[in-house]
Amino acid sequence: EPEVTQTPSHQVTQMGQEVILRCVPISNHLYFYWYRQILGQKVEFLVSFYNNEISEKSEIFDDQFSVERPDGSNFTLKIRSTKLEDSAMYFCASSVRQARGELFFGEGSRLTVL
Amino acid sequence: KQEVTQIPAALSVPEGENLVLNCSFTDSAIYNLQWFRQDPGKGLTSLLLIQSSQREQTSGRLNASLDKSSGRSTLYIAASQPGDSATYLCAVEYGNKLVFGAGTILRVKS
Repeated sequence: EPEVTQTPSHQVTQMGQEVILRCVPISNHLYFYWYRQILGQKVEFLVSFYNNEISEKSEIFDDQFSVERPDGSNFTLKIRSTKLEDSAMYFCASSVRQARGELFFGEGSRLTVL
Repeated sequence: KQEVTQIPAALSVPEGENLVLNCSFTDSAIYNLQWFRQDPGKGLTSLLLIQSSQREQTSGRLNASLDKSSGRSTLYIAASQPGDSATYLCAVEYGNKLVFGAGTILRVKS
């Protein structure tokens, strides 16, 4: 069964360092998303991406964050200068279509900022 | 503001019991509603998707209903099993994003 895969599963970094989280969405999906979940809190929307551009982003997704689809399969989330409060589980998701499309999530990348 | 609330926050039941999880949302202009399961430290597994024009969806022992006008959805789990123990998340789609509830932590005792 097709699935969304994410790497790394866990990354530990020092405050101020750059981090790149990688995702391989399901192959025929066109819409890509990043969400995050701080420990003990709700899952929160970060950004949606379609046709090589951001379609919507939340207030959390400030200038320190960026997304990219560098080739036909990978979808990345970059945090330029990590802060302690960026520590969270980051989930990638994809869907065939937007608005009424079922989202499929990866297993997540746990980011720990020290 | 678009908010999603889930009740109860936690639920513990004996094996075999039927149970209902509740989800409410403040903005009824939804595209769809999706129920997920999350095991500790794991990703989100999609259980059921209900389009805004639908009233319910069924998959095996799971049945989800949607009342868009009142801003409510329920997830019914029949004949619960210990393997159903997990956190159940309700998420409402507004355009390009899902808004999640805090989840219901379910424990099914054998």
